[in-house]
Amino acid sequence: GDSVTQMEGPVTLSEEAFLTINCTYTATGYPSLFWYVQYPGEGLQLLLKATKADDKGSNKGFEATYRKETTSFHLEKGSVQVSDSAVYFCALSVYNFNKFYFGSGTKLNVKP
Amino acid sequence: DTGVSQDPRHKITKRGQNVTFRCDPISEHNRLYWYRQTLGQGPEFLTYFQNEAQLEKSRLLSDRFSAERPKGSFSTLEIQRTEQGDSAMYLCASSSLDLPSEKLFFGSGTQLSVL
Repeated sequence: GDSVTQMEGPVTLSEEAFLTINCTYTATGYPSLFWYVQYPGEGLQLLLKATKADDKGSNKGFEATYRKETTSFHLEKGSVQVSDSAVYFCALSVYNFNKFYFGSGTKLNVKP
Repeated sequence: DTGVSQDPRHKITKRGQNVTFRCDPISEHNRLYWYRQTLGQGPEFLTYFQNEAQLEKSRLLSDRFSAERPKGSFSTLEIQRTEQGDSAMYLCASSSLDLPSEKLFFGSGTQLSVL
């Protein structure tokens, strides 16, 4: 079946450090891939997306590339800030976006 | 755009009682989703509406759960005869059929505690 696996947290980094959060997927058909973020006390919100192989999604300095050959969609940021502290969820959707599958989330703590 | 709102924010109930949650999506959104999230896990799909039609329901959803979306506007999720295993955050999300239809807008959720 369709599923997403992402690295466990928490991940603790110092400000300006490089961030990678790994995400791999299993899907029937051709999924679209997403990263959602949940800041403390807020609802989930879309961070970035990629709808086909080799697409790169980017937003707020974060990037992720849809790698079909490795079934991966790793999230990266070159220099994290304290304000990036949140829980990050990798997700996929197939068949006209009527269902989304989320990973278990990775909590990021950025220390000043 | 006032966002997706959910009510109540918190609900504490005793085992065996019925509970009902409400979700008000963004007004022009025709798709509405219910998800459940437990501690340390990602959101788990429960059901999905397009306008007033419930088009899909998770096989994991027991018969004690029912959702409605009359007139294609707000939605309610009812849990009958609650069990302790129903304790979770219940999330509502909405989206538009118009592109980018893949962008979900989530509410802040209803936290259910079953004692």
